[in-house]
Amino acid sequence: SQKIEQNSEALNIQEGKTATLTCNYTNYSPAYLQWYRQDPGRGPVFLLLIRENEKEKRKERLKVTFDTTLKQSLFHITASQPADSATYLCALEGGSSNTGKLIFGQGTTLQVKP
Amino acid sequence: DAGVIQSPRHEVTEMGQEVTLRCKPISGHDYLFWYRQTMMRGLELLIYFNNNVPIDDSGMPEDRFSAKMPNASFSTLKIQPSEPRDSAVYFCASSARQGLENTEAFFGQGTRLTVV
Repeated sequence: SQKIEQNSEALNIQEGKTATLTCNYTNYSPAYLQWYRQDPGRGPVFLLLIRENEKEKRKERLKVTFDTTLKQSLFHITASQPADSATYLCALEGGSSNTGKLIFGQGTTLQVKP
Repeated sequence: DAGVIQSPRHEVTEMGQEVTLRCKPISGHDYLFWYRQTMMRGLELLIYFNNNVPIDDSGMPEDRFSAKMPNASFSTLKIQPSEPRDSAVYFCASSARQGLENTEAFFGQGTRLTVV
């Protein structure tokens, strides 16, 4: 069956360090993958999209990689700050290709300590 | 645009009652999604529409759940009769299609449903 897996345990790091979050998927062949941030009591907010032909994408302190062989995406936050504390979710297109069906992982909660 | 608008923000109802959640997507978006979020199961896709047509409702848990999209600017998710296990946060999201991929999904603030 199709599955998206993210670290279920919270990630605690010290301010200034790099946070690395993992998204693994099975039985999908996504053409692209998205990352979202969710704060308590709010809906997810889009951060980045990476396509299958892109190995890496950057936006300010964020970096995303996409390895279609390993079926994995890594999400990095460099020089982390307490304000980065939130839950981060990966999402990809489920079912057959080009369906628009957006499926989310469970999310990983990041806590950045000052 | 004011973004995706959901109502109500909070709903407390008694078991057995009908509950209707409402969503106004962003104008021009042709995809609309309904998700349910709980601690145990995360963000689950219930149903999604493309150009007002339901495409995949395989995530709808039971026949007690139904969704409609009568026009491009309005959708409802109905639970009848409601049960305590339906308690969750329900999100509506919308996005547009560009070529072979969807643009980012914009989420509403969610409706926190409590069934007692």
